[in-house]
Amino acid sequence: DSGVTQTPKHLITATGQRVTLRCSPRSGDLSVYWYQQSLDQGLQFLIQYYNGEERAKGNILERFSAQQFPDLHSELNLSSLELGDSALYFCASSGGPSGLAQYFGPGTRLLVL
Amino acid sequence: AQSVTQPDIHITVSEGASLELRCNYSYGATPYLFWYVQSPGQGLQLLLKYFSGDTLVQGIKGFEAEFKRSQSSFNLRKPSVHWSDAAEYFCAVGARSGNEKLTFGTGTRLTIIP
Repeated sequence: DSGVTQTPKHLITATGQRVTLRCSPRSGDLSVYWYQQSLDQGLQFLIQYYNGEERAKGNILERFSAQQFPDLHSELNLSSLELGDSALYFCASSGGPSGLAQYFGPGTRLLVL
Repeated sequence: AQSVTQPDIHITVSEGASLELRCNYSYGATPYLFWYVQSPGQGLQLLLKYFSGDTLVQGIKGFEAEFKRSQSSFNLRKPSVHWSDAAEYFCAVGARSGNEKLTFGTGTRLTIIP
């Protein structure tokens, strides 16, 4: 158990819908990262937050957004969903702004029908 | 930009045999290097990491990896595999400054035969 929690574990929705994925980092970790894992793209970095502020952005679509709250949990919002958004979404956390080791949650499996 | 190559998509080894999974990275300086393991339907578990110092690093579950700067490699090894080691293994590189994202290789699927 990495200490990172993600909810829900599974999500099935329809095209055009909006969903919110939630992540709670390990106790004391200030950085949260979101990654997407799909068969065709592999593991791709989406976005990083550090202590409530956006710190780095990767291959995140404009339809996707994230935030980190004062209690350090984070949410990833996916809107106008398309079939191709079906993937496993991971949250990871680490202890400081420079990353170091990232510990991953169990993921949320999103299926868009 | 940093990148990672895992040249072996799938490796099959016998239980009790030794294992080496290859990883080559591209980065302008000495990177942070990681190996993660993912069992079916599970998240990624950190096996080991290299930040600096001793180039041979020990990890969990009996794994070790060696950083070779001259070869831009960070190969994962285990002297004797167990059936429970069957999983997907990912090598990742992280920058030492700036964007802290991890860049992952495409993974190596390990099958263990009895």
